[in-house]
Amino acid sequence: DSGVTQTPKHLITATGQRVTLRCSPRSGDLSVYWYQQSLDQGLQFLIQYYNGEERAKGNILERFSAQQFPDLHSELNLSSLELGDSALYFCASSVGGGTTQYFGPGTRLTVL
Amino acid sequence: GENVEQHPSTLSVQEGDSAVIKCTYSDSASNYFPWYKQELGKRPQLIIDIRSNVGEKKDQRIAVTLNKTAKHFSLHITETQPEDSAVYFCAASKISDGNKLVFGAGTILRVKS
Repeated sequence: DSGVTQTPKHLITATGQRVTLRCSPRSGDLSVYWYQQSLDQGLQFLIQYYNGEERAKGNILERFSAQQFPDLHSELNLSSLELGDSALYFCASSVGGGTTQYFGPGTRLTVL
Repeated sequence: GENVEQHPSTLSVQEGDSAVIKCTYSDSASNYFPWYKQELGKRPQLIIDIRSNVGEKKDQRIAVTLNKTAKHFSLHITETQPEDSAVYFCAASKISDGNKLVFGAGTILRVKS
């Protein structure tokens, strides 16, 4: 157990819908990272927050957005869902921006 | 941006043999190189990491070597066991980029008993 929690574990929804994935970092960690894992794209970085502020952005679609709240938990919002958005979404946390990242158990999103 | 290539894509070894997985990176400014093990449907778990000021690091049966000049790093697993069977990912990052991890495509390691 890495200490990073993610909810829900599984999510099944329809195309065009909107979902919110939630992540709670390890106690004391200020940085939260979101990654997408799909069969064809592998593990891809989406976005990073540090202490409430966006720090780095990857190839995150405009339909996707994220935020980190004052209690340091983070939410990833995915809207206008497409079949290709089906993937495992992982959150990782670290103490700062240059330290080891620990991954949560992931949320498996299935878009039908 | 950074690009990480990983080889081989699959690796089968006999129990007790050694396994070596290699990665190359493109950005000479990258300074942190972790290796993750992922079992089916589970989270990536950090198994070892190395920073650019170190050439080699070892933890029991696992070791990582880094060649900054050639921009490649390798994972070595000795005395492999069936429970080592998993997908292994290498990654590279740099502090100036928020330390985001750029992953290789992964290596499926099968240890046959």
